[in-house]
This record gives sequence, structure tokens and C-alpha cells, in this order.
Amino acid sequence: QVQLVQSGAEVKRPGASVKVSCKASGYTFTDFGISWVRQAPGQGPEWMGWISAYNGNIIYAQKIQGRVTMATDTSTSTAYMELRSLTSDDTAMYYCVRDLGSLPGSFFDYWGQGTLVTVSS
Amino acid sequence: EIVLTQSPGTLSLSPGERATLSCRASQSVTRSYLAWYQQKPGQAPRLLIYGASSRAAGIPDRFSGSGSGTDFTLTISRLEPEDFAVYYCQQYGSSPPTFGGGTKVEIK
Repeated sequence: QVQLVQSGAEVKRPGASVKVSCKASGYTFTDFGISWVRQAPGQGPEWMGWISAYNGNIIYAQKIQGRVTMATDTSTSTAYMELRSLTSDDTAMYYCVRDLGSLPGSFFDYWGQGTLVTVSS
Repeated sequence: EIVLTQSPGTLSLSPGERATLSCRASQSVTRSYLAWYQQKPGQAPRLLIYGASSRAAGIPDRFSGSGSGTDFTLTISRLEPEDFAVYYCQQYGSSPPTFGGGTKVEIK
């Protein structure tokens, strides 16, 4: 069965960076893209960007471009998302999701369990 | 970017009743590329509907989606106890993909 297993919760100081991993199993990793979606407490989800697991092409959301880096390691079927210069506005649950559509940033059929990132001084 | 407005914010219904959830887009959604998700407390969202009206794998047929252009609807024909949750719409016809603010379906 398809699974996306993410790394554990993080607490960071303002200005720090966080890196979240997402290990995929149960399907051919390079057949689908991975998007990252975050959800602040009590809010709707927010798309952060997409990476092709096939060729590494990337599209970042304009709001966080310049602060985010996404990558994949096909040898371990793992995706990574690093977010830098954290502020309290970045406090959220972060999800990796399998991106099903023919275009980058489509719809998402499998979600990781989420990684809670808390930014606090 | 396309802004999605969901209404009502909260829907109070009893098991067995029909639920009708609305999602309105600030501009036309290309090719009806509109998805619906269900989220329960402490869980990740679950895909219910894509392409405005296609049910995802394993989703019961009491869930149905309709609409086009700027107006979309998710209907739950007869609410089961496990259907009380928050529902989000998401458009993916234009980049960036965007989500609505959600409708909470609660037990009356």
C-alpha cells in the first residue's frame, strides 16, 4: 500500500531553518510528483510547491520562493523540503503529498502523516 | 491566484440528513479542475472528489460533486456518523493550486 512517512516534529527559533523528509513506499517513486502542503492552526491548507521525482523539475509558490528548497533522492524514494528564515507565521503542520495530475500542483491522493513545525522564541 | 470561498462555515445536521456544501471561485476554474477533501481532527486531509465530479478510489457513492465555472457543490446524500468533519475544496486549474477555508459539518 502507498505510504508517505515524514520525519518528526520540530521546534525552531525565529530565523532558523527546518528540513523535513518524506519517505515513499508502495509505488514507483519516479512515476509521480511530490507536492508540499502546509496548514496553519485552524486554517485551510496552503500549497508550497511541487517537485518531479522523475527529473527533478521544481515549481515553488511565489509566497515562499527564495526561502524554500525541495529535493528528492530516488535511491531511497525520499523527498525533502527545507524552509529557511523561519518566522512565527511558518508555524504549521507540513505535509508531503503524492501529486496525481498531469500538471505540477494538481490534486493529491496520498498524504504523509504530517510534521508539526513550531517557530517560537 | 484564484480565491475559493466555501459556505456555510458550519453546517449543523443530524445523521441521515443530506448535506450540501458550496465552493465559489473568484474566477472560472479551468476544465473544472476542482477537488474536495475531508479532514478529521488530528488527521491529514483525504481526497474525496477530483475533476469536480469523479470519486476517488474507495469513496462511498453517498458523496457526489457537481458544478463548473465558478460554482461547485459537494453533496453527501445521507450523513453517516463518520462523515462529521471539515471539508475543503481545492482548485488546480490555475497555478498556484489553492484551497478554500473549509466547511465544518457538525452533529446537530
